[in-house]
Amino acid sequence: AQRVTQPEKLLSVFKGAPVELKCNYSYSGSPELFWYVQYSRQRLQLLLRHISRESIKGFTADLNKGETSFHLKKPFAQEEDSAMYYCALSGQETSGSRLTFGEGTQLTVNP
Amino acid sequence: EAQVTQNPRYLITVTGKKLTVTCSQNMNHEYMSWYRQDPGLGLRQIYYSMNVEVTDKGDVPEGYKVSRKEKRNFPLILESPSPNQTSLYFCASSGTAYSPLHFGNGTRLTVT
Repeated sequence: AQRVTQPEKLLSVFKGAPVELKCNYSYSGSPELFWYVQYSRQRLQLLLRHISRESIKGFTADLNKGETSFHLKKPFAQEEDSAMYYCALSGQETSGSRLTFGEGTQLTVNP
Repeated sequence: EAQVTQNPRYLITVTGKKLTVTCSQNMNHEYMSWYRQDPGLGLRQIYYSMNVEVTDKGDVPEGYKVSRKEKRNFPLILESPSPNQTSLYFCASSGTAYSPLHFGNGTRLTVT
C-alpha cells in the first residue's frame, strides 16, 4: 500500500527565513510525487511535481529515493507563501493508478 | 475555461436524508476522484474512477456511492448521511492518475 506522511501539521517561520516542509512516503514501486498548495479561500492547485524538476514561486523539491522523502524547500519565505501544503504520491495498484495525499502542513510566514 | 465544477458549494442537511453532490469537468479527463478534507487528517480519498463505468474505493469509502456513466460527470451520493460525514468535499480530475489534478471549489457539507 502507498502512504504519504507529513510529520508537521503546523509550521511557522519569519519572512526571509528558509523553510522546509517535510514529506516521507512509503511505496514499493517507482512513485510519482507532487506538492499541492491551498491558499486561503482558494481551491487546491498543483505547486510542483518531481519529474519536471522545476522551481515554482521559489520552491524546489528533490526526490530522495534512499530516504523515501520529497521535502519542499524555499530559501527565503514570503508572507504570501502562507498556505496549506499537501504532498501527494501517485502509484500503481492492482486496480489502477491512484493518488494519495499526506495530512498536510499549514505554513504561516510571519512578517 | 477548463474547470471542475462542483455543486452545491454549501449544503446543510439532516441525518438520513439522501443527497447528491455533483461534479463535472470539461477537459475530457479520464481520471476523476472525490476527497474529503478534515482538520488534522488532510485529504482522504473516498472513491476514484479511471474511466467511464470504472470506479474503485479509496481510503474512506464507507457511507458513499459514486457513478461514472459519462466521462464528464462523477456524482457523489450519500444514501443516508450521518454527522460524521460533515466535512469539506473536493472533486478532482486529471488526464491520467499520474497527471496533475484539477480541483473543484469544494462543497462544505453539514449533517445535523
